[in-house]
Amino acid sequence: GAVVSQHPSRVICKSGTSVKIECRSLDFQATTMFWYRQFPKQSLMLMATSNEGSKATYEQGVEKDKFLINHASLTLSTLTVTSAHPEDSSFYICSAITGGLGEQFFGPGTRLTVL
Amino acid sequence: GDSVTQMEGPVTLSEEAFLTINCTYTATGYPSLFWYVQYPGEGLQLLLKATKADDKGSNKGFEATYRKETTSFHLEKGSVQVSDSAVYFCALKDDYKLSFGAGTTVTVRA
Repeated sequence: GAVVSQHPSRVICKSGTSVKIECRSLDFQATTMFWYRQFPKQSLMLMATSNEGSKATYEQGVEKDKFLINHASLTLSTLTVTSAHPEDSSFYICSAITGGLGEQFFGPGTRLTVL
Repeated sequence: GDSVTQMEGPVTLSEEAFLTINCTYTATGYPSLFWYVQYPGEGLQLLLKATKADDKGSNKGFEATYRKETTSFHLEKGSVQVSDSAVYFCALKDDYKLSFGAGTTVTVRA
């Protein structure tokens, strides 16, 4: 199957700093990428949907200015957590599809810890 | 809105035991249903799916049947192996969005 990578796999940062997480589709072109957040023992919650070359669509309750998403190419999307605070500590997972309703392929996730 | 409720874990089994993980859903439309598996250190992988009522998805010995009357999509495997130890997520897709259950951690002991 198709491979999606994320970098970094783990990151620890100080409160008030910004952190960028990359999501790459390694062997296919991703027309759409999704960003999820997962709290311990809870389900994945969709944060936003991004299409290459256009602005991301955020889910209700997700702060656009805090979670900046850029999908500049068909193989790369980035999530920047700006001015991170301890409550932003979580597991962030991306997925990608090619075509409108294709199967979603998931990255391995990034563990963010904000001190 | 759409939601998925699945059996809480963790579940611990011996090899060759029968596994069942319950999953029920709430949806306004006619969603497709999925089971994803996440092995340690890896991303979610699609395990099986069903797109309409009474469809049965199957893969790697796992099965699940789309039951519209009970709004369920329970996952079953007749004889588990140690390599089946993972976290299992039930999910539904309406349009392009996936809604996930909380995940069930399964540990199979030799």
